[in-house]
Amino acid sequence: DAKTTQPPSMDCAEGRAANLPCNHSTISGNEYVYWYRQIHSQGPQYIIHGLKNNETNEMASLIITEDRKSSTLILPHATLRDTAVYYCIVRVGGGNNRLAFGKGNQVVVIP
Amino acid sequence: KAGVTQTPRYLIKTRGQQVTLSCSPISGHRSVSWYQQTPGQGLQFLFEYFSETQRNKGNFPGRFSGRQFSNSRSEMNVSTLELGDSALYLCASSQPTSDGELFFGEGSRLTVL
Repeated sequence: DAKTTQPPSMDCAEGRAANLPCNHSTISGNEYVYWYRQIHSQGPQYIIHGLKNNETNEMASLIITEDRKSSTLILPHATLRDTAVYYCIVRVGGGNNRLAFGKGNQVVVIP
Repeated sequence: KAGVTQTPRYLIKTRGQQVTLSCSPISGHRSVSWYQQTPGQGLQFLFEYFSETQRNKGNFPGRFSGRQFSNSRSEMNVSTLELGDSALYLCASSQPTSDGELFFGEGSRLTVL
């Protein structure tokens, strides 16, 4: 699977949008972009995923650049409960569940 | 519906012992994956089972093994425990679709003394 690069940490203000970047310059055409987050001592939680098009669900929006070499996860109105480590992962389709998590981005939402 | 259930949640073992961890996937999920999380190495893939067959394996020694039963429940075993095996062991289940999301359990925290 392609590797991803994320900032190690970032702060964001409560109530504001949080934009989490991810670079995946070696992504292949059949690889999806996934985002998970892990709140301290809990199992990772799925957030969203996409292949080419931008995606939105009740938790977040995923913006993928046209060349697919980078993406941004947007938390529209960050709350204190969004403080977590966020992982950007690229993954081949076809049911391969071998995920390479990397070190993630420690996001702290500040009151 | 019920989420992924892992047991036990916490356990303490001594070096040289062996341990078995259990995972019950979400009903209808046939794929079960296992991950090890340590402060130094982060989240690392151990293995994946689908329909009682191992279809992916990570870079762990043979002391780490697993199996899946006909009801999709899975167990992993670590023999001859070492101090470095202290970790949070996470199980995840999914539908066997091309982009199925993984649902993780809360993990089993193993401490080796």
